[in-house]
Amino acid sequence: SAVISQKPSRDICQRGTSLTIQCQVDSQVTMMFWYRQQPGQSLTLIATANQGSEATYESGFVIDKFPISRPNLTFSTLTVSNMSPEDSSIYLCSVEVSSYNEQFFGPGTRLTVL
Amino acid sequence: EDKVVQSPLSLVVHEGDTVTLNCSYEVTNFRSLLWYKQEKKAPTFLFMLTSSGIEKKSGRLSSILDKKELFSILNITATQTGDSAIYLCAGRGGGSEKLVFGKGTKLTVNP
Repeated sequence: SAVISQKPSRDICQRGTSLTIQCQVDSQVTMMFWYRQQPGQSLTLIATANQGSEATYESGFVIDKFPISRPNLTFSTLTVSNMSPEDSSIYLCSVEVSSYNEQFFGPGTRLTVL
Repeated sequence: EDKVVQSPLSLVVHEGDTVTLNCSYEVTNFRSLLWYKQEKKAPTFLFMLTSSGIEKKSGRLSSILDKKELFSILNITATQTGDSAIYLCAGRGGGSEKLVFGKGTKLTVNP
């Protein structure tokens, strides 16, 4: 498995601002993923963060709104830009230690936008 | 479009009961099915299933996959209040590490 930490664990933000969420893993991993879980909903993949290349975004998510960085094999950030109340969600990063195996999740960031 | 459907959406039982949670999937080039337990924010990995008919077991939890009928079940025997959580099922297709999640089953175990 992998030990994953996320910062911040929660935040309350004002409309129109941006928040950057950090995800740190205790070992080098190829694949890192960012998910969103809106209130009462299941997890939806935002993007796959690949080291050394641009993130791959799922339908309905765009780089301008959710820019992602992946500077090395243990770290990634997700920024939620120009936030609105609809962005209030739990944001989760996950990793795969090796391809097509188990995905492990970080502790999540609970974001509230006022 | 890939789809994962879980049932029931919620379930209330008493301690000691046995429960069965269902997950059906339509995933292109299916590769694996994963079960998670979500208590607060972070889903905790339970099982990954790739082959039909082979039961995976961990303590009181077990799971099996039927690739012909496109479903999986998660069994919990002798339930405890600590089993109260949302149980998520996710499917993964070939050529992608992407997981498609169901809406989850909210299990409440009362003392």
